[in-house]
Amino acid sequence: ETGVTQTPRHLVMGMTNKKSLKCEQHLGHNAMYWYKQSAKKPLELMFVYNFKEQTENNSVPSRFSPECPNSSHLFLHLHTLQPEDSALYLCASSTDRQGLYEQYFGPGTRLTVT
Amino acid sequence: AQTVTQSQPEMSVQEAETVTLSCTYDTSESDYYLFWYKQPPSRQMILVIRQEAYKQQNATENRFSVNFQKAAKSFSLKISDSQLGDAAMYFCAYRGAYSGAGSYQLTFGKGTKLSVIP
Repeated sequence: ETGVTQTPRHLVMGMTNKKSLKCEQHLGHNAMYWYKQSAKKPLELMFVYNFKEQTENNSVPSRFSPECPNSSHLFLHLHTLQPEDSALYLCASSTDRQGLYEQYFGPGTRLTVT
Repeated sequence: AQTVTQSQPEMSVQEAETVTLSCTYDTSESDYYLFWYKQPPSRQMILVIRQEAYKQQNATENRFSVNFQKAAKSFSLKISDSQLGDAAMYFCAYRGAYSGAGSYQLTFGKGTKLSVIP
Protein backbone atom coordinates (compact mmCIF):
# COMPACT_ATOMS: atom_id res chain seq x y z
CA GLU A 1 0.00 0.00 0.00
CA THR A 2 1.21 3.48 -0.76
CA GLY A 3 0.06 6.94 0.22
CA VAL A 4 -2.91 7.33 2.53
CA THR A 5 -5.51 4.57 2.80
CA GLN A 6 -8.92 4.65 4.45
CA THR A 7 -11.34 1.92 5.40
CA PRO A 8 -14.16 1.35 4.93
CA ARG A 9 -14.87 3.25 1.72
CA HIS A 10 -18.61 3.23 2.40
CA LEU A 11 -20.49 2.97 5.68
CA VAL A 12 -24.17 3.04 6.49
CA MET A 13 -25.08 3.20 10.13
CA GLY A 14 -28.08 3.85 12.30
CA MET A 15 -28.15 6.62 14.85
CA THR A 16 -27.66 4.17 17.72
CA ASN A 17 -24.73 2.30 16.19
CA LYS A 18 -21.06 2.54 17.06
CA LYS A 19 -18.55 2.31 14.27
CA SER A 20 -14.97 3.35 13.55
CA LEU A 21 -13.19 4.80 10.53
CA LYS A 22 -9.57 3.89 9.97
CA CYS A 23 -6.81 5.81 8.26
CA GLU A 24 -3.25 4.68 7.60
CA GLN A 25 -0.44 6.64 6.01
CA HIS A 26 2.61 5.01 4.45
CA LEU A 27 4.56 8.21 3.84
CA GLY A 28 6.52 8.57 7.06
CA HIS A 29 4.61 11.73 7.95
CA ASN A 30 4.22 13.04 11.45
CA ALA A 31 0.90 14.88 11.27
CA MET A 32 -2.55 13.44 10.50
CA TYR A 33 -5.88 15.14 9.98
CA TRP A 34 -9.59 14.37 9.82
CA TYR A 35 -11.80 16.46 7.55
CA LYS A 36 -15.54 16.42 6.91
CA GLN A 37 -16.70 17.15 3.37
CA SER A 38 -20.37 17.96 2.89
CA ALA A 39 -22.07 18.96 -0.33
CA LYS A 40 -21.78 22.63 -1.19
CA LYS A 41 -19.60 23.41 1.85
CA PRO A 42 -15.86 23.85 2.19
CA LEU A 43 -13.85 21.07 3.72
CA GLU A 44 -14.12 21.30 7.48
CA LEU A 45 -11.09 20.45 9.55
CA MET A 46 -12.09 18.30 12.51
CA PHE A 47 -8.95 17.10 14.26
CA VAL A 48 -5.19 17.38 13.93
CA TYR A 49 -2.64 15.04 15.45
CA ASN A 50 1.11 15.40 15.47
CA PHE A 51 3.34 12.60 16.72
CA LYS A 52 0.24 11.00 18.29
CA GLU A 53 -0.70 14.13 20.21
CA GLN A 54 -3.90 15.99 19.40
CA THR A 55 -3.10 19.58 18.52
CA GLU A 56 -6.46 20.76 17.16
CA ASN A 57 -10.09 20.03 17.88
CA ASN A 58 -12.28 22.39 15.91
CA SER A 59 -15.30 22.30 18.21
CA VAL A 60 -16.31 18.88 17.01
CA PRO A 61 -19.24 17.24 18.84
CA SER A 62 -18.28 14.53 21.30
CA ARG A 63 -20.09 11.88 19.27
CA PHE A 64 -16.90 11.96 17.15
CA SER A 65 -13.95 10.58 19.07
CA PRO A 66 -10.51 10.45 17.43
CA GLU A 67 -7.69 8.11 18.34
CA CYS A 68 -4.09 8.19 17.15
CA PRO A 69 -2.10 5.24 18.51
CA ASN A 70 0.99 6.09 16.45
CA SER A 71 2.08 8.45 13.68
CA SER A 72 0.88 6.09 10.96
CA HIS A 73 -2.63 5.32 12.14
CA LEU A 74 -5.63 7.46 12.87
CA PHE A 75 -9.12 6.39 13.85
CA LEU A 76 -12.43 8.19 14.12
CA HIS A 77 -14.85 6.50 16.48
CA LEU A 78 -18.49 7.26 15.84
CA HIS A 79 -21.45 6.85 18.19
CA THR A 80 -25.02 8.14 18.33
CA LEU A 81 -24.59 10.12 15.12
CA GLN A 82 -27.21 12.35 13.55
CA PRO A 83 -28.42 12.34 9.94
CA GLU A 84 -26.62 15.65 9.36
CA ASP A 85 -23.35 13.83 10.04
CA SER A 86 -23.72 12.06 6.72
CA ALA A 87 -20.76 13.20 4.63
CA LEU A 88 -17.46 12.19 3.11
CA TYR A 89 -14.79 11.90 5.79
CA LEU A 90 -11.29 12.49 4.55
CA CYS A 91 -8.03 11.69 6.23
CA ALA A 92 -4.82 13.48 5.36
CA SER A 93 -1.20 13.53 6.46
CA SER A 94 1.73 15.89 6.20
CA THR A 95 5.29 16.37 7.29
CA ASP A 96 7.16 19.35 8.64
CA ARG A 97 10.28 18.46 6.70
CA GLN A 98 11.61 21.47 4.84
CA GLY A 99 10.11 21.89 1.40
CA LEU A 100 7.29 19.42 1.86
CA TYR A 101 4.27 21.40 2.93
CA GLU A 102 1.27 19.91 1.25
CA GLN A 103 -1.19 17.50 2.75
CA TYR A 104 -1.78 14.11 1.18
CA PHE A 105 -5.31 12.81 1.25
CA GLY A 106 -6.91 9.40 1.43
CA PRO A 107 -9.84 8.37 -0.78
CA GLY A 108 -12.38 9.05 1.97
CA THR A 109 -15.17 7.17 3.68
CA ARG A 110 -18.69 7.94 2.49
CA LEU A 111 -20.81 7.84 5.65
CA THR A 112 -24.58 7.67 5.60
CA VAL A 113 -26.47 7.95 8.88
CA THR A 114 -30.01 6.60 8.75
CA ALA B 1 -9.10 34.26 10.19
CA GLN B 2 -8.16 33.35 6.66
CA THR B 3 -10.83 32.85 4.05
CA VAL B 4 -10.63 31.39 0.58
CA THR B 5 -13.20 32.25 -2.06
CA GLN B 6 -13.83 30.43 -5.30
CA SER B 7 -16.46 32.45 -7.11
CA GLN B 8 -17.17 29.94 -9.89
CA PRO B 9 -19.17 26.95 -8.64
CA GLU B 10 -19.08 25.36 -12.09
CA MET B 11 -17.05 25.81 -15.25
CA SER B 12 -16.86 24.00 -18.55
CA VAL B 13 -14.20 23.85 -21.23
CA GLN B 14 -13.90 22.30 -24.64
CA GLU B 15 -11.34 19.54 -24.95
CA ALA B 16 -7.92 20.95 -25.97
CA GLU B 17 -8.92 24.48 -24.98
CA THR B 18 -7.69 26.55 -22.03
CA VAL B 19 -9.65 27.37 -18.90
CA THR B 20 -8.89 29.54 -15.88
CA LEU B 21 -10.29 28.91 -12.42
CA SER B 22 -10.41 31.81 -9.97
CA CYS B 23 -9.44 31.95 -6.33
CA THR B 24 -9.09 34.86 -3.94
CA TYR B 25 -8.07 34.77 -0.33
CA ASP B 26 -7.94 37.03 2.64
CA THR B 27 -5.04 37.05 5.05
CA SER B 28 -2.96 39.37 7.16
CA GLU B 29 0.09 37.11 6.98
CA SER B 30 3.03 37.79 4.70
CA ASP B 31 4.38 34.26 4.53
CA TYR B 32 2.07 31.51 3.35
CA TYR B 33 1.50 28.81 0.76
CA LEU B 34 -1.27 28.33 -1.73
CA PHE B 35 -2.38 25.10 -3.34
CA TRP B 36 -4.73 23.80 -5.96
CA TYR B 37 -6.14 20.36 -5.31
CA LYS B 38 -8.10 18.22 -7.73
CA GLN B 39 -10.81 15.79 -6.65
CA PRO B 40 -12.05 13.56 -9.50
CA PRO B 41 -15.29 11.64 -9.19
CA SER B 42 -13.33 8.76 -7.62
CA ARG B 43 -12.86 11.17 -4.68
CA GLN B 44 -9.10 10.97 -4.04
CA MET B 45 -7.92 14.52 -3.49
CA ILE B 46 -4.59 15.08 -5.20
CA LEU B 47 -2.28 18.07 -5.28
CA VAL B 48 -2.08 19.84 -8.63
CA ILE B 49 0.24 22.73 -7.92
CA ARG B 50 1.57 24.86 -5.10
CA GLN B 51 2.88 28.39 -4.79
CA GLU B 52 5.07 29.90 -2.09
CA ALA B 53 4.04 33.47 -1.34
CA TYR B 54 7.63 34.69 -1.17
CA LYS B 55 8.28 33.60 -4.75
CA GLN B 56 7.33 36.08 -7.43
CA GLN B 57 7.57 33.54 -10.20
CA ASN B 58 4.33 31.75 -10.99
CA ALA B 59 4.40 27.99 -10.45
CA THR B 60 4.00 25.66 -13.41
CA GLU B 61 3.41 21.93 -13.61
CA ASN B 62 3.10 20.69 -17.18
CA ARG B 63 -0.30 21.91 -18.47
CA PHE B 64 -1.14 23.57 -15.16
CA SER B 65 0.04 27.03 -14.23
CA VAL B 66 -0.99 29.70 -11.79
CA ASN B 67 -1.33 33.45 -11.91
CA PHE B 68 -0.34 34.59 -8.44
CA GLN B 69 -1.08 38.23 -7.66
CA LYS B 70 0.02 38.76 -4.06
CA ALA B 71 -1.12 42.35 -3.73
CA ALA B 72 -4.54 41.47 -5.07
CA LYS B 73 -4.62 38.21 -3.06
CA SER B 74 -5.53 36.31 -6.15
CA PHE B 75 -4.40 32.81 -7.15
CA SER B 76 -5.95 31.53 -10.36
CA LEU B 77 -5.29 28.18 -12.02
CA LYS B 78 -4.89 27.89 -15.76
CA ILE B 79 -5.31 24.53 -17.44
CA SER B 80 -4.00 24.40 -20.99
CA ASP B 81 -4.87 21.80 -23.62
CA SER B 82 -7.71 20.49 -21.44
CA GLN B 83 -8.21 16.74 -21.38
CA LEU B 84 -11.19 14.61 -20.42
CA GLY B 85 -9.29 13.45 -17.35
CA ASP B 86 -9.17 17.02 -16.09
CA ALA B 87 -12.87 16.88 -15.24
CA ALA B 88 -13.08 17.15 -11.46
CA MET B 89 -13.72 19.42 -8.51
CA TYR B 90 -10.87 21.85 -8.03
CA PHE B 91 -10.17 23.28 -4.61
CA CYS B 92 -8.02 26.24 -3.80
CA ALA B 93 -6.35 26.03 -0.38
CA TYR B 94 -4.34 28.33 1.83
CA ARG B 95 -1.73 27.30 4.36
CA GLY B 96 -0.69 29.99 6.72
CA ALA B 97 1.79 30.20 9.48
CA TYR B 98 2.98 27.17 11.35
CA SER B 99 0.17 26.11 13.66
CA GLY B 100 2.46 24.48 16.10
CA ALA B 101 3.69 21.03 16.95
CA GLY B 102 4.62 20.05 13.42
CA SER B 103 1.22 20.51 11.82
CA TYR B 104 -0.31 23.02 9.46
CA GLN B 105 -3.91 23.94 8.89
CA LEU B 106 -5.31 24.30 5.41
CA THR B 107 -8.23 26.57 4.63
CA PHE B 108 -10.17 25.45 1.57
CA GLY B 109 -12.50 27.20 -0.82
CA LYS B 110 -15.85 25.65 -1.72
CA GLY B 111 -14.52 24.31 -4.99
CA THR B 112 -15.18 24.67 -8.71
CA LYS B 113 -16.64 21.79 -10.66
CA LEU B 114 -14.91 21.59 -14.04
CA SER B 115 -16.52 19.75 -16.91
CA VAL B 116 -14.60 18.96 -20.09
CA ILE B 117 -16.64 18.74 -23.27
CA PRO B 118 -15.37 16.29 -25.90
